[in-house]
Amino acid sequence: SQKIEQNSEALNIQEGKTATLTCNYTNYSPAYLQWYRQDPGRGPVFLLLIRENEKEKRKERLKVTFDTTLKQSLFHITASQPADSATYLCALYPHGGFKTIFGAGTRLFVKA
Amino acid sequence: IAGITQAPTSQILAAGRRMTLRCTQDMRHNAMYWYRQDLGLGLRLIHYSNTAGTTGKGEVPDGYSVSRANTDDFPLTLASAVPSQTSVYFCASAPGTNNEQFFGPGTRLTVL
Repeated sequence: SQKIEQNSEALNIQEGKTATLTCNYTNYSPAYLQWYRQDPGRGPVFLLLIRENEKEKRKERLKVTFDTTLKQSLFHITASQPADSATYLCALYPHGGFKTIFGAGTRLFVKA
Repeated sequence: IAGITQAPTSQILAAGRRMTLRCTQDMRHNAMYWYRQDLGLGLRLIHYSNTAGTTGKGEVPDGYSVSRANTDDFPLTLASAVPSQTSVYFCASAPGTNNEQFFGPGTRLTVL
């Protein structure tokens, strides 16, 4: 069956450390992957998009990697801050598809 | 208006009642989407519209209907609400079907 999985357990890290979130998928052939941030009571906000022919994409303190062999994307936040605390969703757009498939998200807590 | 708006913010509804959730965007985006978000399940697509005048069924369309009479508006109707439709509903729009999505603030619906 087709699945997109993110760690359901919350990730707790200390301020200043690098947070790494994982997104794994099964039986999809993604044209690209996206990462969104969602704060409590709000809609998701787009952060980064990485295409299948890209290994890595960066934006300020954010970095995304995409490994089509491992069927995995990693999302990194360097020098994390308490304001980075949120739920992070990964989403993939499959080849030949018409809609984006979202993971359930991973909750990140950054402690001061 | 700036971006994408939804109304109402929240609603408590008796089972069997009809309800329309409103969504309006001012970005002239072609594609629009309705999702429901339930704890542990992530965002699930209910219906979508690739352009004004067309609509399609998503992953969980039963009990819901949509219309897309113009570019800006994409209302979601529950013809006869049931308790399992208790959820947070998000509307989203995108320039095209394979672009980043812009989400509204959500509608929290409780069906008793």
